[in-house]
Amino acid sequence: EVQLVESGGGLVQPGGSLRLSCAASGFTFNDYWMSWVRQAPGKGLEWLANIKEDGSQKFYVDSVKGRFTISRDNAKNSLFLQMNSLRAEDTAVYYCAGGNYRAYWGQGTLVTVSS
Amino acid sequence: QAVVTQEPSLTVSPGGTVTLTCASSTGAVTSGHYPYWFQQKPGQAPRTLIYHTSNKHSWTPARFSGSLLGGKAALTLSGAQPEDEAEYYCLLSYSGPWVFGGGTKLTVL
Repeated sequence: EVQLVESGGGLVQPGGSLRLSCAASGFTFNDYWMSWVRQAPGKGLEWLANIKEDGSQKFYVDSVKGRFTISRDNAKNSLFLQMNSLRAEDTAVYYCAGGNYRAYWGQGTLVTVSS
Repeated sequence: QAVVTQEPSLTVSPGGTVTLTCASSTGAVTSGHYPYWFQQKPGQAPRTLIYHTSNKHSWTPARFSGSLLGGKAALTLSGAQPEDEAEYYCLLSYSGPWVFGGGTKLTVL
């Protein structure tokens, strides 16, 4: 059974940092690009970042460039999102997604940025 | 970055047909944008329905189909069921970065 399980969310103060993780199982993780997507409360989906199978290429949405870093550890079938300089507007559920034609999604982890 | 536009809301009768569209601020949507369509129900993670314009995953009901229509990506639902009531999002590639549309809330009524 394919699973993507996000972790690392929580409450953080503005300006703080958080590192999200996504543990993958049930498919050949290192064969696929992976992504992070977020959804602010009551809002639509926002694509944040992509990373190539071997980590050699990464792309970001403008709003997180320079603040967020996507990475992966293929030996551990894991995807990460390092989030720095967090703002209130980064409050959202964060999903990892990927696999064969973006077939797989995690259930998401909630990040709340508030003082 | 580009802006991707979808109808904010649509209503379809049970058994009816409806087409959702996805437009790009940079011009016509083509197969080179590798259009995706996702379905999301309240409290759930998104589910991928269509990839690369018109391809379906094994779980995609046959009543959903994807195409390019008039310079836009399109998702057509033929024979709507009550369980199809959901938010639908398109996703387009811009040679590296991707952009979601704002979503279409589909009501089956």
